[in-house]
Amino acid sequence: NAGVTQTPKFQVLKTGQSMTLQCAQDMNHEYMSWYRQDPGMGLRLIHYSVGAGITDQGEVPNGYNVSRSTTEDFPLRLLSAAPSQTSVYFCASSYRRDRELEQYFGPGTRLTVT
Amino acid sequence: AQKVTQAQTEISVVEKEDVTLDCVYETRDTTYYLFWYKQPPSGELVFLIRRNSFDEQNEISGRYSWNFQKSTSSFNFTITASQVVDSAVYFCALRGLTGGFKTIFGAGTRLFVKA
Repeated sequence: NAGVTQTPKFQVLKTGQSMTLQCAQDMNHEYMSWYRQDPGMGLRLIHYSVGAGITDQGEVPNGYNVSRSTTEDFPLRLLSAAPSQTSVYFCASSYRRDRELEQYFGPGTRLTVT
Repeated sequence: AQKVTQAQTEISVVEKEDVTLDCVYETRDTTYYLFWYKQPPSGELVFLIRRNSFDEQNEISGRYSWNFQKSTSSFNFTITASQVVDSAVYFCALRGLTGGFKTIFGAGTRLFVKA
């Protein structure tokens, strides 16, 4: 199993550009989520999904869109990048049937918006 | 609303010292789950432990131990005889029953262990 994969690992965007951060998992996990990590602020939840076709907002959803058309994939879209979106982005997944189970994290995408 | 507070931003210790990382949480749920993750300098997030709200038993795993106290809403993490390899950022996280399946993280504590 590859676990949770994220692409790209690094990305530089100019203000106003759009892009999609890719996330995929091969563990048949129902639950997937996106976090951003900023210095001193820990991991903040952007969006999450409890299954294909179901998404919901987290703590900091503004400026980001998600969709979940398959169990495996959960892309994060930045429609018009802003410098405030410079961050490290982590995708995570876990089984939904047991809330006690931990999340598996991808390696992260470091995004810089100039 | 759920909240996790890790009041210690950075801790610096000398190798072989014991160190405790504090975690205080807030939730209205009677059933909830607590987690600790480690983020070494390489950047990945590594799961360390989970605990549900009905299990207040403390746990020890090698040099690591966790103290869960519902009365004070705390889930503290102690490293005994710290080593340089323990240098990392440590995150405490909370997942409740309400609010979907969200897991909320604290701001993290950066631990420096000096040789």
